[in-house]
Amino acid sequence: NAGVTQTPKFRVLKTGQSMTLLCAQDMNHEYMYWYRQDPGMGLRLIHYSVGEGTTAKGEVPDGYNVSRLKKQNFLLGLESAAPSQTSVYFCASSPPQADTEAFFGQGTRLTVV
Amino acid sequence: RKEVEQDPGPFNVPEGATVAFNCTYSNSASQSFFWYRQDCRKEPKLLMSVYSSGNEDGRFTAQLNRASQYISLLIRDSKLSDSATYLCVVNPRSGGSYIPTFGRGTSLIVHP
Repeated sequence: NAGVTQTPKFRVLKTGQSMTLLCAQDMNHEYMYWYRQDPGMGLRLIHYSVGEGTTAKGEVPDGYNVSRLKKQNFLLGLESAAPSQTSVYFCASSPPQADTEAFFGQGTRLTVV
Repeated sequence: RKEVEQDPGPFNVPEGATVAFNCTYSNSASQSFFWYRQDCRKEPKLLMSVYSSGNEDGRFTAQLNRASQYISLLIRDSKLSDSATYLCVVNPRSGGSYIPTFGRGTSLIVHP
């Protein structure tokens, strides 16, 4: 049982380049999330989705776009990477109920130079 | 003001010590509360849910005070393997959905 899988695990980008991070879950969860984690800042929500075809902005959405064309996949795009987007990105999924656990992928370490 | 506030620590304690972490949250409509554990360079994982009546799981005890909007985690008889960052998580209601909101985490270092 794979759970939540993120691709790639590591990436180095040059400023201005674009890339897409892929998150896939096999637990049939309705909700999916993208967070970034920076030293001393904790996990901050970038975007989230409460179902196939729907997305919403989180706390720090600027510079990112997302898509949820299939229930099991949630893509995070950086159109023009900036050094400020150097971070560890975590994807997570959960059922819609309030009292349920969120399951995380292993993270993507992104460096923008 | 951040929605979920935690003392970042680090808490540096000897093996066998008892240590307590606190967390406050700002959204009084929050429904669910959790403690997650995160090891260095790894993903967060659920440690335990926090229930209104308080709950215990082995050496770990979680308490919730809704009136004060305060959550706590008590670890008894600390082990070296307890060294990690502990994240307080609240699920406030946002437009009909419950979205996990994380504190910045409290770092625990248990030394011999």
